[in-house]
Amino acid sequence: EDQVTQSPEALRLQEGESSSLNCSYTVSGLRGLFWYRQDPGKGPEFLFTLYSAGEEKEKERLKATLTKKESFLHITAPKPEDSATYLCAVQADAGGSEKLVFGKGTKLTVNP
Amino acid sequence: NAGVTQTPKFRILKIGQSMTLQCTQDMNHNYMYWYRQDPGMGLKLIYYSVGAGITDKGEVPNGYNVSRSTTEDFPLRLELAAPSQTSVYFCATRRGGSYNEQFFGPGTRLTVL
Repeated sequence: EDQVTQSPEALRLQEGESSSLNCSYTVSGLRGLFWYRQDPGKGPEFLFTLYSAGEEKEKERLKATLTKKESFLHITAPKPEDSATYLCAVQADAGGSEKLVFGKGTKLTVNP
Repeated sequence: NAGVTQTPKFRILKIGQSMTLQCTQDMNHNYMYWYRQDPGMGLKLIYYSVGAGITDKGEVPNGYNVSRSTTEDFPLRLELAAPSQTSVYFCATRRGGSYNEQFFGPGTRLTVL
């Protein structure tokens, strides 16, 4: 069964204090790994798609990396506006499956 | 360009009542999805559609029905609401082909009492 585990469940940082969020996955052939940001009371907002081990993508203070077993979302010098829940999801490359398996998310709080 | 819109934003139902959650998109995406998000849990796929007239079950379809008569609209029907259907419901779309990212609507918060 495809599984996604995110850690930690919650993370508190001071403004400017860099850190990483982890997404470990088990999937029968990876079609894509996705990172989303979700603000309270809103729908998930797409951040990155990673397709193969070794791939990296960056956007402002965020950088996502991928290995064969996990993905990291690195946050460099975070600001309070980066506070949100970050979701990781995987799509298996199996028979045209449309199912995304989501992790439970990491709630990030950045204090000024 | 509104993207993905969902109505209503909030709704309270009594056990046994029925309702339809509306989802409309103006991005001309072929693929549309319904998810539910329970507190502390990951999003679960309820139903999806790869185009007008084509729908298929996701991970948790029991108690729900869908239809897709146009590219733009993908309503989710709840028949005989139960407390276990209390959740936040999200509609999402995807362009198709090699563009795999899904774009989500703002959600509908449903409470069944």
